[in-house]
Amino acid sequence: GAGVSQTPSNKVTEKGKYVELRCDPISGHTALYWYRQSLGQGPEFLIYFQGTGAADDSGLPNDRFFAVRPEGSVSTLKIQRTERGDSAVYLCASSLISGTGHTGELFFGEGSRLTVL
Amino acid sequence: QKEVEQNSGPLSVPEGAIASLNCTYSDRVSQSFFWYRQYSGKSPELIMSIYSNGDKEDGRFTAQLNKASQYVSLLIRDSQPSDSATYLCAGSNYGGSQGNLIFGKGTKLSVKP
Repeated sequence: GAGVSQTPSNKVTEKGKYVELRCDPISGHTALYWYRQSLGQGPEFLIYFQGTGAADDSGLPNDRFFAVRPEGSVSTLKIQRTERGDSAVYLCASSLISGTGHTGELFFGEGSRLTVL
Repeated sequence: QKEVEQNSGPLSVPEGAIASLNCTYSDRVSQSFFWYRQYSGKSPELIMSIYSNGDKEDGRFTAQLNKASQYVSLLIRDSQPSDSATYLCAGSNYGGSQGNLIFGKGTKLSVKP
């Protein structure tokens, strides 16, 4: 498809388990972002990739969270030792970087809903 | 003050009326602002961006930015039931990277036929 693709759409796991969430951005978009959204809240920034490198990981809440984008396209968000507080919708977005330096439009995927029991 | 604040609503307006959505921001938020629309159970989609003081119009939507008052608004003219959604105000994180946006909690808009 033409949009940002995220898998799985739903993930239920037990406390303490490891999870991986995958994002396939729009073809040609060099910038990729991970956000998470809890119920009744706005999205919260986690990490931004420009190409293969993490240009800004200031939003990752702790060292249980890690993300990679080895070939500059698909990204995986990895969460170790999951906790109930990690339950949220994890949103991936991609964009082109405009010449003015503004982000341009962030195109969000439909998200991966993570539930930690 | 929270970094980006919005009234959570719900804001209810009749069809055809003007819906006015407001947002204030703190010093931690830089000067680029965005309005995203989010339908229930769906992902956010950008509807307006504004970078300079004043008004910016796009079809039925007008964004307004007042940097002195640290205030951003979105006006929706001729509101339609299909405009019923949560509207998220976002600003760039001052000192952060491109795409490091700070979102408000969103205002839920309901347009009654």
